Amino acid sequence: EAGVAQSPRYKIIEKRQSVAFWCNPISGHATLYWYQQILGQGPKLLIQFQNNGVVDDSQLPKDRFSAERLKGVDSTLKIQPAKLEDSAVYLCASSLNTGDYYEQYFGPGTRLTVT
Amino acid sequence: AQKVTQAQTEISVVEKEDVTLDCVYETRDTTYYLFWYKQPPSGELVFLIRRNSFDEQNEISGRYSWNFQKSTSSFNFTITASQVVDSAVYFCALDRGSTLGRLYFGRGTQLTVWP
Repeated sequence: EAGVAQSPRYKIIEKRQSVAFWCNPISGHATLYWYQQILGQGPKLLIQFQNNGVVDDSQLPKDRFSAERLKGVDSTLKIQPAKLEDSAVYLCASSLNTGDYYEQYFGPGTRLTVT
Repeated sequence: AQKVTQAQTEISVVEKEDVTLDCVYETRDTTYYLFWYKQPPSGELVFLIRRNSFDEQNEISGRYSWNFQKSTSSFNFTITASQVVDSAVYFCALDRGSTLGRLYFGRGTQLTVWP
């Protein structure tokens, strides 16, 4: 079974530029998550989708971050314009939603450096 | 509010030593889930174990064991006879049972196992 795919793996941009990250979850997984992991910290949830609807985006800086999950499969996370403090690894995860818990499977992440 | 504290920032051991990683959590929920994830240098978070708040039975799985104590709000993780391949960042995480899988992570413990 293929895992969660993310691209690109690395991205370097200048502040005020725009950037987009792509995530392809495990086939059949209804729930998709985007996390931000700043160096030296644990991941922090940015947004959670259930199929193509948003379940939780309370931690998403909506003035510059946006995310969508078209057709309930792939997802794109965008930052516009980027700030220096957005430098982090952006992790995508998906879960199947079976039984009494939603086990999450993580992708390799996209490492963003804003200069 | 949910909070996970991993007081140990870095731990170094020599191969074959046992090592325990500490985790203390805070939540007002009666139903919750606790996790340990491993993040090797490749960056992908690897699921190790999940425990729900009603299951305080400690477990041993190969070289890994877990000690869950609700009375002290601790969920510690032990690696027996450590190996160089165990070198990674280990994260403890908490999920409220009602939030469809939103994980609250600690800051992580960097474990280095020297040959």
